[in-house]
Amino acid sequence: ETGVTQSPTHLIKTRGQQVTLRCSSQSGHNTVSWYQQALGQGPQFIFQYYREEENGRGNFPPRFSGLQFPNYSSELNVNALELDDSALYLCASSSGQGRGDYGYTFGSGTRLTVV
Amino acid sequence: QKEVEQDPGPLSVPEGAIVSLNCTYSNSAFQYFMWYRQYSRKGPELLMYTYSSGNKEDGRFTAQVDKSSKYISLFIRDSQPSDSATYLCASPPGDSNYQLIWGAGTKLIIKP
Repeated sequence: ETGVTQSPTHLIKTRGQQVTLRCSSQSGHNTVSWYQQALGQGPQFIFQYYREEENGRGNFPPRFSGLQFPNYSSELNVNALELDDSALYLCASSSGQGRGDYGYTFGSGTRLTVV
Repeated sequence: QKEVEQDPGPLSVPEGAIVSLNCTYSNSAFQYFMWYRQYSRKGPELLMYTYSSGNKEDGRFTAQVDKSSKYISLFIRDSQPSDSATYLCASPPGDSNYQLIWGAGTKLIIKP
């Protein structure tokens, strides 16, 4: 069983609304990344947090924002939802001190549908 | 051109066959390579992690990296129906190791 837990598992939102997705990382993992995975595609990097600070961001607009908390939990917030935001959102944690080359442990994801 | 390319499949083989899954990449700065397995409705699970050129073996799985041709492979011996999943290759770009660049994944089906 994975050490990374995401909630909720499924979510349906209306275009223009805001959504918060939550992740509980594996204990001791001080790095958390969020990825967006469209159907039939590989994950796309949204951003990464290391010790509660954002230390990297992919090609996503500012309406995608995040937080990391001292208890290894984190949030992904998306404002002004668009239809194209429909995807599987994955949280991944690592003990790699902010480096992606140590490999990640992924949660099962939150399936977001925007209608 | 995507930085990491994979044939999406599906690749369908009989149980017990040797499976070969492949990725090509375009960025010479890529140094580390990972293979993840993703079952339906689940997140990716790290299978293999390699750094240098050559082979790395872990049970029924062998990862192979050829940096001269920018080609990486994953071989599965004695394939089982439980190996049916999507296999994704990924690499952190050398100039920003905080993220992974992914292929689109190859869907593998092992027929009993």
